[in-house]
Amino acid sequence: NAGVTQTPKFRILKIGQSMTLQCAQDMNHNYMYWYRQDPGMGLKLIYYSVGAGITDKGEVPNGYNVSRSTTEDFPLRLELAAPSQTSVYFCASSKGGGPNTEAFFGQGTRLTVV
Amino acid sequence: QKEVEQDPGPLSVPEGAIVSLNCTYSNSAFQYFMWYRQYSRKGPELLMYTYSSGNKEDGRFTAQVDKSSKYISLFIRDSQPSDSATYLCAMSVTGFQKLVFGTGTRLLVSP
Repeated sequence: NAGVTQTPKFRILKIGQSMTLQCAQDMNHNYMYWYRQDPGMGLKLIYYSVGAGITDKGEVPNGYNVSRSTTEDFPLRLELAAPSQTSVYFCASSKGGGPNTEAFFGQGTRLTVV
Repeated sequence: QKEVEQDPGPLSVPEGAIVSLNCTYSNSAFQYFMWYRQYSRKGPELLMYTYSSGNKEDGRFTAQVDKSSKYISLFIRDSQPSDSATYLCAMSVTGFQKLVFGTGTRLLVSP
């Protein structure tokens, strides 16, 4: 059982480039999330989705876009990368959003923008 | 003021010690309180979660929530070197949706 799979694991981008961080889950979870983790700042929610075709902003959505065309996949798009987007990005999924619906995290994508 | 405050550490203890990890928060609407463990270069994994005030025990781990003081704790008994990791508290109003995380406390357990 793979759980939540993120690709790539590492990436270096130049300022102004764009890229898509991939996230896939095989647990048939409805809810999916993107977080970023900066040193000393904890994890902050970027976007989340409660099902295919439904997405909503989290706490720090600026500079990012998402789509959810299937239950399994939730890609995060960075347009015009900036040094402030240097971070570790975690994708997570859960069966629902309420109690007793544990969120499972992927291994993370470490992104550096230079 | 951050919504959730957590001492970043590092907290260094000898093997076998009792460890106390803590978070304070400001949003009185939080009802669900989680503790995640994160090993270096890995994703967070859920250790425990509690609803509202009270205690919850799971093996060597005990989670406590004091909503009146807006204070939560995680106790680790008989700490092991394998417990060395960063411990993140997280909380929310509705469950696992829209978690608000603390900054994490790095724990080092020496043999």
